[in-house]
Amino acid sequence: AQSVTQLDSHVSVSEGTPVLLRCNYSSSYSPSLFWYVQHPNKGLQLLLKYTSAATLVKGINGFEAEFKKSETSFHLTKPSAHMSDAAEYFCVVITGRRALTFGSGTRLQVQP
Amino acid sequence: GAGVSQSPSNKVTEKGKDVELRCDPISGHTALYWYRQSLGQGLEFLIYFQGNSAPDKSGLPSDRFSAERTGGSVSTLTIQRTQQEDSAVYLCASSSRLSREAGNEQFFGPGTRLTVL
Repeated sequence: AQSVTQLDSHVSVSEGTPVLLRCNYSSSYSPSLFWYVQHPNKGLQLLLKYTSAATLVKGINGFEAEFKKSETSFHLTKPSAHMSDAAEYFCVVITGRRALTFGSGTRLQVQP
Repeated sequence: GAGVSQSPSNKVTEKGKDVELRCDPISGHTALYWYRQSLGQGLEFLIYFQGNSAPDKSGLPSDRFSAERTGGSVSTLTIQRTQQEDSAVYLCASSSRLSREAGNEQFFGPGTRLTVL
């Protein structure tokens, strides 16, 4: 069965510093992985997706993620945090039934 | 074009009452999903519709929950005899026909916040 584990429930960074949100996956075959973001009182928005075309995936708002099969990881990064990045981030994998299985989420705080 | 819409945005009901939540997917999307987001449980899959195929109901938590999709478009999630533990945000998502290139991106609605008193 496919699953994802987000290693940090909360991450706090200062504006202008790098962001790292960690995600490990478990899958019996090459997975389809996503990162979604949820801003307060707003819907879920897709940041980026990995579907085996390239291991380094670039998404919206300057975010990117690297698929590392040897480490079973799909960490989300951004070189420089903005205040508007404060939100909850979900690492997601598609299950065999084509529904999404969500990680527990990481709340990102950005300090001025 | 319009995204996924859901109604109502908020619903407060009394324990034991039935509720209906509505989802309008993106026009032309053949797949429709319901998820629930609650404290302590995170985001959980409930049910999946794909075209005219029988729905995948494997995520429904009890037989009080049911959903239908009329004409391959609008979907209604019904919760009978609501309980306090049903309080959550119910999210609907839709996607186009699955293809490896499309990566099965799901587009989410804003959700319905259900509060059972």
